Amino acid sequence: DAKTTQPTSMDCAEGRAANLPCNHSTISGNEYVYWYRQIHSQGPQYIIHGLKNNETNEMASLIITEDRKSSTLILPHATLRDTAVYYCIVRVNYGQNFVFGPGTRLSVLP
Amino acid sequence: GAVVSQHPSWVICKSGTSVKIECRSLDFQATTMFWYRQFPKKSLMLMATSNEGSKATYEQGVEKDKFLINHASLTLSTLTVTSAHPEDSSFYICSAFRDFTDTQYFGPGTRLTVL
Repeated sequence: DAKTTQPTSMDCAEGRAANLPCNHSTISGNEYVYWYRQIHSQGPQYIIHGLKNNETNEMASLIITEDRKSSTLILPHATLRDTAVYYCIVRVNYGQNFVFGPGTRLSVLP
Repeated sequence: GAVVSQHPSWVICKSGTSVKIECRSLDFQATTMFWYRQFPKKSLMLMATSNEGSKATYEQGVEKDKFLINHASLTLSTLTVTSAHPEDSSFYICSAFRDFTDTQYFGPGTRLTVL
């Protein structure tokens, strides 16, 4: 089973920041948080991952709370092409297998 | 970098035939690749873990004789759906684990339709 919970769906206005939350209250100290997204009928696309520090790349920012029980993926200026299902995944015990939950369906509205 | 390809992108076959799907890591080597299937409006379900040079590890409930996996090189894994039936129709997605970035990268998926 996935170790994360996410809202089923969210809407965001085009050009605004999209903030996608994820709860992972049972996360262990050595488990990373990964984010992927899947646009309809395509394979998942890697976005970002982190352990405890906040991370930023060209796609998004990842904010992890100090207790590491939750995190937020931030898309700073959402576009229509960011409409997708976003998956938050906790990587268990250095394993290479990632368990996908149902994710959050983000709709970016014009 | 970190590109994974799949071939074919879609396939339609008759019931009882076998279908082979290829997964390639184009710009990195992967000792471990994964095969998932996804039904409409559902999340990805792991079918098996493919390790280069050894037998694949199948998830509970996945028939190893029906879904044959071969990981013959560090850049290629294949999934063969043997004696396909309509209930095998699905979206099959592979991924490759890249040690350098500690991350899985996914292929674009293969849509299989069995008539």
